[in-house]
Amino acid sequence: DAGVIQSPRHEVTEMGQEVTLRCKPISGHDYLFWYRQTMMRGLELLIYFNNNVPIDDSGMPEDRFSAKMPNASFSTLKIQPSEPRDSAVYFCASSPSGRSSLEQYFGPGTRLTVT
Amino acid sequence: GDSVTQMEGPVTLSEEAFLTINCTYTATGYPSLFWYVQYPGEGLQLLLKATKADDKGSNKGFEATYRKETTSFHLEKGSVQVSDSAVYFCALRPAGGTSYGKLTFGQGTILTVHP
Repeated sequence: DAGVIQSPRHEVTEMGQEVTLRCKPISGHDYLFWYRQTMMRGLELLIYFNNNVPIDDSGMPEDRFSAKMPNASFSTLKIQPSEPRDSAVYFCASSPSGRSSLEQYFGPGTRLTVT
Repeated sequence: GDSVTQMEGPVTLSEEAFLTINCTYTATGYPSLFWYVQYPGEGLQLLLKATKADDKGSNKGFEATYRKETTSFHLEKGSVQVSDSAVYFCALRPAGGTSYGKLTFGQGTILTVHP
């Protein structure tokens, strides 16, 4: 299996621009998670989905952030408009739902820089 | 709500030294407990896990025991190597409820091992 795939790996954009981050979870996994990691705030859960349905979006910072999962093999995290304080590494992770498999598998992350 | 507290870092050791990274948690019932490791420039990956009280998780020379009485899951390794330099995260997953699929992470502990 190729693991969780994220694109792009690096993104540099100017303040005010729209940014779209993409994630392909591991096939057969029912859960998908979006995290943000910064030096100041550590690792934060932004939102997670179960069977393509958003379960908890309480970590989404504000209305500028939105996430979708149109099907089981694809999710996007969009920031519009972007701001310098959004600069961070964004991770996507997926997990199966059976009790015997509790592990989350992380992608390599997208490093976002907003200038 | 659930929470995980890790010892503050960074931790700096010489090669072959003994490692302990403390982790305590607050949660209802019997959560599952995890240690994740993040190498520079990469996503998090599972190091070890324990799903019930008194379980010992182990991998790559690392060990951690699920202690319900002290609500702890301390990470240990008898002899660290330079290649163990990374950030280590303690995490828990609830036993059930609406947040079942969600992991709660500690703040991470940076480990640096010198030759």
